[in-house]
Amino acid sequence: AQSVTQLDSHVSVSEGTPVLLRCNYSSSYSPSLFWYVQHPNKGLQLLLKYTSAATLVKGINGFEAEFKKSETSFHLTKPSAHMSDAAEYFCVVPTNNAGNMLTFGGGTRLMVKP
Amino acid sequence: NAGVTQTPKFQVLKTGQSMTLQCAQDMNHNSMYWYRQDPGMGLRLIYYSASEGTTDKGEVPNGYNVSRLNKREFSLRLESAAPSQTSVYFCASSEKFDRGLRNTEAFFGQGTRLTVV
Repeated sequence: AQSVTQLDSHVSVSEGTPVLLRCNYSSSYSPSLFWYVQHPNKGLQLLLKYTSAATLVKGINGFEAEFKKSETSFHLTKPSAHMSDAAEYFCVVPTNNAGNMLTFGGGTRLMVKP
Repeated sequence: NAGVTQTPKFQVLKTGQSMTLQCAQDMNHNSMYWYRQDPGMGLRLIYYSASEGTTDKGEVPNGYNVSRLNKREFSLRLESAAPSQTSVYFCASSEKFDRGLRNTEAFFGQGTRLTVV
């Protein structure tokens, strides 16, 4: 079975400082992995995805994530936080090989201080 | 450009009542989906419409019906609500059909929080 654990439920950073949102996954095969973001009163938006190509994946809004099989991690980073990055972030893995269900992590709420 | 719009955002129903969740997308996408999100269960596919005029069951279809009214709109109906249907419901759309969303980007609505008492 696949599962995903987001290690921090809340992260607070100052504007202009780096962002690190941590995600560990458990999978019996090399999975696809996604990061989604949900801004207040908005729908889920795909930030980036890993699908067995390059291990360093670049997404929208300056975010990137690195797939590390040895550490079973897929942490999301951004060099410099912006106020508009304040949102909830979800690490997501397909639940099974058939790809007909998605498992979401518990979410990390990112707060950005001026 | 609104993307995917769901209504209502919040709803409380009594057991046995019926209601319809509305979803509309303005991106000219072919495929639309309905998911429910429950704590510890992730996002589970209820029904999907791979293209206009077709609908199919997902993983948890019992107690629900859907209508693909036109290319833009895909509604989800609860005929007789049960407490087990208390959940957050997400509608999504994508250009191409991909049941697992591995190879196509899906756009999600903001969700409908439904409570059945």
